[in-house]
Amino acid sequence: EVQLVESGGGLVQPGGSLRLSCAASGFTVSDHRMDWVRQAPGKGLEWVGRIRNRGNSYTTDYAASVKGRFTISRDDSKNSLYLQMNSLKTEDTAVYYCARRGVGYGGYDYDDYWGQGTLVTVSS
Amino acid sequence: DIQLTQSPSFLSASVGDRVTITCRASQGISSYLAWYQQKPGKAPKLLIYAASTLQSGVPSRFSGSGSGTEFTLTISSLQPEDFATYYCQQVDTYPMTFGQGTRLEIK
Repeated sequence: EVQLVESGGGLVQPGGSLRLSCAASGFTVSDHRMDWVRQAPGKGLEWVGRIRNRGNSYTTDYAASVKGRFTISRDDSKNSLYLQMNSLKTEDTAVYYCARRGVGYGGYDYDDYWGQGTLVTVSS
Repeated sequence: DIQLTQSPSFLSASVGDRVTITCRASQGISSYLAWYQQKPGKAPKLLIYAASTLQSGVPSRFSGSGSGTEFTLTISSLQPEDFATYYCQQVDTYPMTFGQGTRLEIK
């Protein structure tokens, strides 16, 4: 059974850092592109960034709102994905989801499995 | 960035009703669009991808259509478990963007 479990959320002061983890089971993370998506309280979904699979050299893309502050990485030995968040701002407060790009064709794929999310609160 | 605009933003309907949600893109995205369902406190669930392909395990009362800049999600006969918020998402161009959501409530 495919499962994604996020951890590492919590309360952090503006300007601080936090590292989120996403532990995968039931599939091999290195075979898939993986996304981070966030949702501010009471708001809609916002794509944060993506890391490609091994076949695409694990390259990354980010939303403009987080580029230069957030970094996505993976550890294939732990079958896990990470989101390093630096220089946090109050507007980064959100539930953060990791998701697997698992279905699609023609080079375009979609998030078929999502974790339960982890809440990050940036406040003084 | 490609903007996705969903209409309506809020929809009140009854069990058994047929409902349609529209998603309009600010520029053409071929068929590179997904629909997600989200219930309070839960992660989004993929319903439709590539504009019209039903995700495995999703009931056939859900269907999607469209290409280019206009897309629709149709629920043919609303069931109690369908009352939720629905989002469209384009994967044609970075950054991937979502629509603002359509909240579907029981009348």
